[in-house]
Amino acid sequence: KAGVTQTPRYLIKTRGQQVTLSCSPISGHRSVSWYQQTPGQGLQFLFEYFSETQRNKGNFPGRFSGRQFSNSRSEMNVSTLELGDSALYLCASSLDRNPEQYFGPGTRLTVT
Amino acid sequence: DQQVKQNSPSLSVQEGRISILNCDYTNSMFDYFLWYKKYPAEGPTFLISISSIKDKNEDGRFTVFLNKSAKHLSLHIVPSQPGDSAVYFCAASTTFSSGSARQLTFGSGTQLTVLP
Repeated sequence: KAGVTQTPRYLIKTRGQQVTLSCSPISGHRSVSWYQQTPGQGLQFLFEYFSETQRNKGNFPGRFSGRQFSNSRSEMNVSTLELGDSALYLCASSLDRNPEQYFGPGTRLTVT
Repeated sequence: DQQVKQNSPSLSVQEGRISILNCDYTNSMFDYFLWYKKYPAEGPTFLISISSIKDKNEDGRFTVFLNKSAKHLSLHIVPSQPGDSAVYFCAASTTFSSGSARQLTFGSGTQLTVLP
């Protein structure tokens, strides 16, 4: 069974731009969560989607948003990029009601 | 406020010996605990987990112990192998009132180095 895939793997943007990251979960997994990893803050929860609905959101500004499609694929969007948004963005999928989440390889975003 | 803490940023162990990685938590609502292994430039890989109703779970060379009264869990790797060298994260999860939505709260990680 294929794992979680994320595209693109690497991205360079300038301040003020916006970016969209994509995630395809493991087949059969309908829950998709997003996390941000930075050296200073570690791994932090952004939001979780299930059946095209956001079920939970972490403590991030409204510039961070996401959505999920009917095939469970998910995208996250960051608008008005700031230097501090440079991070590894990780997507994880899981079966509903199962706490074990399986992560993709991440998208490394650099904001200059 | 760090709800999940890994107080040792690094640990070095000789090949063949036991590696013990520790994790403490403060939120008594956490009901599920997980360990992940991470290599540079890759996503975390799920290793092993334990429910709060258990005190031990074993999978091959990996055993996780949970001490609820002390709010402490540990991961034992026996025997340690050079390929185990990676950053290990513990994570904790809470069932929300909806009964379904969960988020993982991660510790800061411990870099394990297994010396040949």
